[in-house]
Amino acid sequence: EIVLTQSPGTLSLSPGERATLSCRASQSLSANYLAWYQHKPGRSPRLLIHGASRRATGIPDRFTGSGSGTDFTLTISRVEPEDIAVYFCHQYNNSPLTFGGGTTVEIK
Amino acid sequence: EVQLVQSGAELKKPGESLKISCKGFGYRFTSYWIAWVRQMPGRGLEWMGIIYPHDSDAKYSPSFQGQVTISADKSIDTVYLQWTSLQASDTAMYYCARREVDWEPPELWGQGTLVTVSS
Repeated sequence: EIVLTQSPGTLSLSPGERATLSCRASQSLSANYLAWYQHKPGRSPRLLIHGASRRATGIPDRFTGSGSGTDFTLTISRVEPEDIAVYFCHQYNNSPLTFGGGTTVEIK
Repeated sequence: EVQLVQSGAELKKPGESLKISCKGFGYRFTSYWIAWVRQMPGRGLEWMGIIYPHDSDAKYSPSFQGQVTISADKSIDTVYLQWTSLQASDTAMYYCARREVDWEPPELWGQGTLVTVSS
């Protein structure tokens, strides 16, 4: 089973600051089958990024995914108050499919 | 509107059975896989399994094989997650999620069903 380790656990930022979230896989992900989701309390998870770097439909360009192999990053270029959420990564190629533990983004 | 709508919250006792549902709206239901994902209190997400409603082909994560049953009724665009004997450790939020193909992640999720198992 591929373990996804996310860091940091919590990120506290002021509006307009840059957020950098990390997701490290215990094995290399073939074809970069890595996705990022945003999960707000009481809401369904929202797909942000798939294929490590492709934005899902309707996702603002301040969200950028990058990385390959075992190391992946989600960057929010300028954090806004509406970005308060838990962000988790997901590998969807190797069975069993797995998720990272999540990074909580807080606004100062 | 394209959406997945899940059944409501459940409060059950240990040993009881349960079947929760996920109904698709606004799209061709049989063209997409539906997965079930568990989130225990204060924990991350866990992939339980997935089913193709067209032919009810179901695949389970090893951790959940034999613990739950995933089924589908394509005549009413609905997928189910079922337990025969609940345990307190089954207390969690359960999400269904739609996935089109193996090389893409789930892109549409239900609102979640909270299952609480307590004596």
